[in-house]
Amino acid sequence: QVQLVQSGAEVKKPGASVKVSCKASAYMFINYGISWVRQAPGQGLEWMGWISAYNGNTNYAQKLQGRVTMTTDTSTSTAYMELRSLRSDDTAVYYCARVDGYSAGMDVWGKGTTVTVSS
Amino acid sequence: DIQMTQSPSSLSASVGDRVTITCRASQTITSYLNWYQQKLGKAPKLLIYSASSLHSGVPSRFSGSGSGTDFTLTISSLQPEDFATYYCQQSYSTPFTFGPGTKVDIK
Repeated sequence: QVQLVQSGAEVKKPGASVKVSCKASAYMFINYGISWVRQAPGQGLEWMGWISAYNGNTNYAQKLQGRVTMTTDTSTSTAYMELRSLRSDDTAVYYCARVDGYSAGMDVWGKGTTVTVSS
Repeated sequence: DIQMTQSPSSLSASVGDRVTITCRASQTITSYLNWYQQKLGKAPKLLIYSASSLHSGVPSRFSGSGSGTDFTLTISSLQPEDFATYYCQQSYSTPFTFGPGTKVDIK
């Protein structure tokens, strides 16, 4: 079945970087985009950005510009999200989600990757 | 950025109740409005896309309506598995902002 499998939990110190992977299966990877969404403990959902798996075009949330990079590897159907200069308020569950090209709704989600930033 | 608001922020309801959640955008988003359900500790699930289209596999008791700036999600007869938090999200222009969520719990 169509699924997105994310990498495991990470614990990082402030100032470090984290790179989360999201491996797609059972669909044509390049026909969809991938969005990244995060959720701080007890909080709502925050859209971080989007990448086209077809051509690598990206669109990032303004507040993360300069700290986030989203990439894809079409040979392995894997998307990546790297966040640099981590702060304590980056502690969250990070989700990848497949983006439908028509509605831009996110129709398939990974299970999430917990990133904890702590000294 | 387009701001999304939801009301109520939480509600208590009984099994079988009809539940309506509203979502408002700070500017027109035509029909680029999606609804998600999230249960505690789980990833969100898409329920409704393009304001009123039911995502594959979602029970027909869920429905969405609206266009422009005002939207509603309706659950016609609340079931035990529907107790969750519901989020609207606009996909009209980036950043694709979410509403703050509506928590539906058991009365």
